[in-house]
Amino acid sequence: ELKVEQNPLFLSMQEGKNYTIYCNYSTTSDRLYWYRQDPGKSLESLFVLLSNGAVKQEGRLMASLDTKARLSTLHITAAVHDLSATYFCAVDMAGFGNEKLTFGTGTRLTIIP
Amino acid sequence: DAGVTQSPTHLIKTRGQQVTLRCSPKSGHDTVSWYQQALGQGPQFIFQYYEEEERQRGNFPDRFSGHQSPNYSSELNVNALLLGDSALYLCASSPIERGHEQYFGPGTRLTVT
Repeated sequence: ELKVEQNPLFLSMQEGKNYTIYCNYSTTSDRLYWYRQDPGKSLESLFVLLSNGAVKQEGRLMASLDTKARLSTLHITAAVHDLSATYFCAVDMAGFGNEKLTFGTGTRLTIIP
Repeated sequence: DAGVTQSPTHLIKTRGQQVTLRCSPKSGHDTVSWYQQALGQGPQFIFQYYEEEERQRGNFPDRFSGHQSPNYSSELNVNALLLGDSALYLCASSPIERGHEQYFGPGTRLTVT
C-alpha cells in the first residue's frame, strides 16, 4: 500500500525566511502533485511533477522531484504572509494523471510578520 | 467555462440518516472521483466513476455508494451516517485519457450530529 509522508506537519516561520517541506512516498511513481488549501476551501493545484529531476517554480515556490529517492520538496523563498496555508503533496501511483491520488498528511504553514 | 461544481455547499444530518452529494464535472471531462477529507487530514480516495461504472474504489465501507449519469455528473450516497462521516467531500474530474490532471470542486461540508 502506498504511503505518503510529509514533514514537518506544522511550520511557523517569519516573513523573509526560506524553508523546505519534504514529501516522501513508499512506492515508485513518476507523477507527483503539490496542492495548497486555505481554511474551509478546496484544493488549489500548484505543481505537477512528471519525471525524475523535474523542477518547477512559481513565484516564491519551487518544487522538485527525485523519483529514485522517492522524495519531493517544496521550497519557499523569502516567505510572505499570503503563503500561509496547508500544503499537500499527492502521488499518482499509476502515473497516468487520471487515477486515484494518495495524499500526504499536509503541512500547515503559518507565516509570521 | 464552468469548472467542477458541487452541491450543496454545507449539509447537517443526524446519525443514521442518509445523504446524497452531487457533482458536475468540468466541461469535456468524463471521469469523476470522490474524496473524503476529515478535519486536519489529507483527502482520502473513495471511488472513481467512468461510463456510469465504478472504476476504482478506496478503502471505504459499502455504506458509501455512487452513481454517474450519462451526462457525466455524479452522486455520492452515504447510508447510516456515523459521526465519523463528518468531513469535507471533494469531487474531482478529468478526461479518461492518460496524462490529464484532475480538477477539484469546491467541496461539500457534511456535519453529522
